[in-house]
Amino acid sequence: EPEVTQTPSHQVTQMGQEVILRCVPISNHLYFYWYRQILGQKVEFLVSFYNNEISEKSEIFDDQFSVERPDGSNFTLKIRSTKLEDSAMYFCATSLGSACFGPGTRLTVT
Amino acid sequence: GIQVEQSPPDLILQEGANSTLRCNFSDSVNNLQWFHQNPWGQLINLFYIPSGTKQNGRLSATTVATERYSLLYISSSQTTDSGVYFCAVYGGATNKLIFGTGTLLAVQP
Repeated sequence: EPEVTQTPSHQVTQMGQEVILRCVPISNHLYFYWYRQILGQKVEFLVSFYNNEISEKSEIFDDQFSVERPDGSNFTLKIRSTKLEDSAMYFCATSLGSACFGPGTRLTVT
Repeated sequence: GIQVEQSPPDLILQEGANSTLRCNFSDSVNNLQWFHQNPWGQLINLFYIPSGTKQNGRLSATTVATERYSLLYISSSQTTDSGVYFCAVYGGATNKLIFGTGTLLAVQP
């Protein structure tokens, strides 16, 4: 059964550094998403991506965040200058009807 | 925006017991999914259920869209059922999932 994969599984970075989180979507899915979950809290929507452009974004998704499909298959989330409060689990999801979630990247900002 | 509330927030069961988890949503939705977040943090898709009833082994789900709620039934619970159960809805003109507050389930041997 096809699945969404994410790399790395865990990333530790220093405040102010840039990080790139990577996702390989399910190949025939059309909608791509990034969500995040701060420890112990609910899952929050960040951004959706369709037809190679952002279709919707939340208030959390400010100018320090960006998404792209650099090679037509991978889907990346970049955080330009990380803050302590960016520490969270970041999930990629893809959808063709129901949404399938990747295993997540745990980002720790020190 | 749509509000999604789940109850109960926490639940402790003995192995073998049955349980019902509830998800209420504040507006019409296009679709609804139930997820299990296991102790490793992974979100496992349980059901994609805009309406009606579906069953998968010991789990079943019912969504009554006109009354804006969904129920997840767990029968003969096992310790591996422990974790957080989330419902999430697609609403209105948006194609994003809005997650509920979750139910933390602990099944004791």
